[in-house]
Amino acid sequence: SQTIHQWPATLVQPVGSPLSLECTVEGTSNPNLYWYRQAAGRGLQLLFYSVGIGQISSEVPQNLSASRPQDRQFILSSKKLLLSDSGFYLCAWSKDSGNPYEQYFGPGTRLTVT
Amino acid sequence: AQSVAQPEDQVNVAEGNPLTVKCTYSVSGNPYLFWYVQYPNRGLQFLLKYITGDNLVKGSYGFEAEFNKSQTSFHLKKPSALVSDSALYFCAVNSDRGSTLGRLYFGRGTQLTVWP
Repeated sequence: SQTIHQWPATLVQPVGSPLSLECTVEGTSNPNLYWYRQAAGRGLQLLFYSVGIGQISSEVPQNLSASRPQDRQFILSSKKLLLSDSGFYLCAWSKDSGNPYEQYFGPGTRLTVT
Repeated sequence: AQSVAQPEDQVNVAEGNPLTVKCTYSVSGNPYLFWYVQYPNRGLQFLLKYITGDNLVKGSYGFEAEFNKSQTSFHLKKPSALVSDSALYFCAVNSDRGSTLGRLYFGRGTQLTVWP
């Protein structure tokens, strides 16, 4: 069966510090991968998605970047955090064929920028 | 462009009563529709989906949803609510003409509260 991991689970970082959040998927190959941010416990904002190694699409201009160095690894980064980067970050994956629209979510990372 | 609307930010219902969480959508082509649930500080969990076939879809934890093409709706229902159903519910959509493979468009979410 497939599983998705995110770490860390919680993170408190000062403004201006760097960020690295990691997401890995097990039990599948060539998944589509997604990073979302959820602010104030409500709507999901799609930040990045990837259909393959090194292939990253950004949905909104922002202070964040994403990378996919391996097939089942997706990393969210920032060189200098802003207060507005605080939120709940969710990673998700979907199949690359068949029914690709059903997404499976990780447990999330709670980021607080102070 | 694909979009989904959840017109209610909050739904309150007494335990044992039926519940409905509303969702309407706008897509090009045939819709693919999903419901997810999120408990506090957790990731989203898949509840059910409509891709094709029977308009009434049954999912996890006794939930079901009815696809209504003429009303472009996909409301989530449960005949008898439980306190443990209290959570944030998201409707999501894409279509067979979706330009971005695998992407889902999410509603803003509806907070369901079931009181004892």
